[in-house]
Amino acid sequence: EAQVTQNPRYLITVTGKKLTVTCSQNMNHEYMSWYRQDPGLGLRQIYYSMNVEATDKGDVPEGYKVSRKEKRNFPLILESPSPNQTSLYFCASSSDTGELFFGEGSRLTVL
Amino acid sequence: AQSVSQHNHHVILSEAASLELGCNYSYGGTVNLFWYVQYPGQHLQLLLKYFSGDPLVKGIKGFEAEFIKSKFSFNLRKPSVQWSDTAEYFCAVSPQGGFQKLVFGTGTRLLVSP
Repeated sequence: EAQVTQNPRYLITVTGKKLTVTCSQNMNHEYMSWYRQDPGLGLRQIYYSMNVEATDKGDVPEGYKVSRKEKRNFPLILESPSPNQTSLYFCASSSDTGELFFGEGSRLTVL
Repeated sequence: AQSVSQHNHHVILSEAASLELGCNYSYGGTVNLFWYVQYPGQHLQLLLKYFSGDPLVKGIKGFEAEFIKSKFSFNLRKPSVQWSDTAEYFCAVSPQGGFQKLVFGTGTRLLVSP
C-alpha cells in the first residue's frame, strides 16, 4: 500500500531537548516536504527536498533542520525545541504531478 | 510569490444543502490549483486538481471546482452535502512546473448537521 509514514504520532517534550520526527515513503517519490499546521494559519512549508542530498527552506524554516540521505526518508530535526514549535506536523511526498501524499501527522507539544 | 485566500473560515450547513467554498489566489503567471480535504483526526487528501484544459474540474465524492482565470478564483462546489462531508477544506496553488512552492490557504471548516 502506498503510504507516507511518520513517527512519532504524538510527542510531549520539554524546551531544549533535541528530537527527530521521522518520515518515510514507499512510492519512490523524489519530492518530499514538511509542513506545520496551526489553527487559523493553515499549512506552512518548513523545508522541502527535490531529491537525495537536495534540500531547501520553505516559508518557516527557523528552528528546524532536515536531511535527505536516502530517497525514501526525510527526517525533521528540532535541535532545541521551544514552545512556539508546538504544532501538528505533516510530511508529504510527490512525484512530478504535483499531487501531495500526506502522512498521518505528528502532534508535538513542547513544554 | 503566490498567496491564497479562503474567505469563509467556518461554514455550517444542513444535510442536502448546496455548498460553495471560495478560493482566490494572487500570482502573475500560470498556476496549478488544488483542493485538499482533512477529515477529523486524519491527514490531508486530494479532492481535485486543475492543471490545464476544461476549467470545470470534477473530483471525488461529488465535488467539483471551477477555475475562473479572470477572477483568480477556484471555488469548490457540491450540490448536496452529507454529514460525512464534515471536514476542513484547503485550497492550494503552485506555479506551473513549480509544485515545490505549493502554498495553502488557511482552510475552511465545514460542519454538516444531520
